[in-house]
Amino acid sequence: GEDVEQSLFLSVREGDSSVINCTYTDSSSTYLYWYKQEPGAGLQLLTYIFSNMDMKQDQRLTVLLNKKDKHLSLRIADTQTGDSAIYFCAESGTYKYIFGTGTRLKVLA
Amino acid sequence: DVKVTQSSRYLVKRTGEKVFLECVQDMDHENMFWYRQDPGLGLRLIYFSYDVKMKEKGDIPEGYSVSREKKERFSLILESASTNQTSMYLCASKGGELFFGEGSRLTVL
Repeated sequence: GEDVEQSLFLSVREGDSSVINCTYTDSSSTYLYWYKQEPGAGLQLLTYIFSNMDMKQDQRLTVLLNKKDKHLSLRIADTQTGDSAIYFCAESGTYKYIFGTGTRLKVLA
Repeated sequence: DVKVTQSSRYLVKRTGEKVFLECVQDMDHENMFWYRQDPGLGLRLIYFSYDVKMKEKGDIPEGYSVSREKKERFSLILESASTNQTSMYLCASKGGELFFGEGSRLTVL
């Protein structure tokens, strides 16, 4: 079945770049997503990439998609303490979204 | 702004009690979802609904049921709560992207 995997934790220093990685199994997904969850809140869409793209940049965020390896990554440049959160990647089918386990990003001042 | 409202943020229930979790969206979306979030497991789909009175089982429907009598409201029902249903429950509605509620943290004693 479909599966999305992420490492559970990442710790970076303020001002450094963060790279959060994700692997997925369903090659038919049209879109792949990154969601952010701050403490005590629901998930918010951070960015997404269409499956026929290799890269998408949005201010401090860069998404890279390697379809051959089914690997998705999110790079956050100049990471700030406000970026501390759980980051989920997700792939979507017709109705269903399959989410990864989430990566908890801790930013050290 | 799209709003997905989960009426109960925190609930404490006893084993065997019937539990209702309510979710309301204000954007006339057809598709609504209930997820369960557990540390290290990410989000797992319990049920989704693609129209009024229409529902589909997700990946972990056992012990849960749902109700969608009106388009804006999607309820999750635990007929007889058990301790292994202690979790964070997230409702989402889909209109282009997924919009999440703030979550309902349920503790079953």
